[in-house]
Amino acid sequence: GESVGLHLPTLSVQEGDNSIINCAYSNSASDYFIWYKQESGKGPQFIIDIRSNMDKRQGQRVTVLLNKTVKHLSLQIAATQPGDSAVYFCAERPTSGTYKYIFGTGTRLKVLA
Amino acid sequence: GAVVSQHPSWVICKSGTSVKIECRSLDFQATTMFWYRQFPKQSLMLMATSNEGSKATYEQGVEKDKFLINHASLTLSTLTVTSAHPEDSSFYICSARGRGAGNTEAFFGQGTRLTVV
Repeated sequence: GESVGLHLPTLSVQEGDNSIINCAYSNSASDYFIWYKQESGKGPQFIIDIRSNMDKRQGQRVTVLLNKTVKHLSLQIAATQPGDSAVYFCAERPTSGTYKYIFGTGTRLKVLA
Repeated sequence: GAVVSQHPSWVICKSGTSVKIECRSLDFQATTMFWYRQFPKQSLMLMATSNEGSKATYEQGVEKDKFLINHASLTLSTLTVTSAHPEDSSFYICSARGRGAGNTEAFFGQGTRLTVV
């Protein structure tokens, strides 16, 4: 079936460096993508989203890049901080009209002091 | 952002009993709510989608008689795990989406940790 996957299950980054978390999706019909951050024992927290008619969107310290040609999504975190340590999920919304999201497998980001 | 609240945050129950988890949208009307299940160190697995006033749509492989979903109002959806067994122990998360075709973002609750002993 359709799936969204991540290349790296764990990413360790030095504090202050930039982090890049990648995601590959397979549903070419998806029109909306979201990155979520999940801390241990908590629900996912919205970070940033992007529509399929865009290729880049910036937020506060975060940037999402979308490459529809290769079905690739990435999340860039600038000046990574200890509080950024969490599991990050990408999610896609297939244009089925149900507004349900398909989540990727997740990447654990570890920020090293 | 909008607030979605789940209750309880955690629950321990005995095998064979039923457990109800509530999901409330506190400051918006949720036309659609989603229920997810998450095992340790794994991703969120969508269980079902519920629209207010209609029956839930379950994903393939999810037993609708086992996981009863009710979405009786625009601010409340409930998930009842019936005749719970230890293998039902998991982290259950709901999300809610508001009115309007432009509302693509779904807001998540804080999750409910269910442990069946």
